[in-house]
Amino acid sequence: DTEVTQTPKHLVMGMTNKKSLKCEQHMGHRAMYWYKQKAKKPPELMFVYSYEKLSINESVPSRFSPECPNSSLLNLHLHALQPEDSALYLCASSQDVPGGRTYEQYFGPGTRLTVT
Amino acid sequence: ELKVEQNPLFLSMQEGKNYTIYCNYSTTSDRLYWYRQDPGKSLESLFVLLSNGAVKQEGRLMASLDTKARLSTLHITAAVHDLSATYFCAVDKASGSRLTFGEGTQLTVNP
Repeated sequence: DTEVTQTPKHLVMGMTNKKSLKCEQHMGHRAMYWYKQKAKKPPELMFVYSYEKLSINESVPSRFSPECPNSSLLNLHLHALQPEDSALYLCASSQDVPGGRTYEQYFGPGTRLTVT
Repeated sequence: ELKVEQNPLFLSMQEGKNYTIYCNYSTTSDRLYWYRQDPGKSLESLFVLLSNGAVKQEGRLMASLDTKARLSTLHITAAVHDLSATYFCAVDKASGSRLTFGEGTQLTVNP
């Protein structure tokens, strides 16, 4: 099974709402990633979890809060977002070894987020 | 800071023609990835290039890696409409679990 799943597929939220994005993989990967992608741009890395610990935070605003409850699940909690946060949010996973080299990343289908 | 440059950024070509997309990167790396993205969809892994001189082919696409020149190419042979998509190269920095993506090449294949 080389699938990464994400829910929901689409999300519309107001600036005062709290919502969560979910990501799941069953490939035994120990590295999981959140990316943000604006239209016609490459994905921008937000967070990396390695062995369920946050290893990289790319200076993401605190209104985005990641969580890795176990090795298969990755959440992104959203609170007080701004309209400019509207984007496609992609989750990915890969094998990982101590020392941090990344391997091929498998991407989920993404959540299309619209902030009104 | 690792920089990855793709060119061209936009490519319109006729079916049946050949063309090459280039991906240059600025610092030492021995891992390069090519992804395809259809509009509104996620990224699909096309090729993983793990060493100097690596060449991989799948259908009408062939990718190569020259780590000394810090250059990868994605060659399209006898293009068909189904190849229309955005193609990203991404480089794995030698010392960390982070991919740096190029800006993407938006390919349109016209009948």
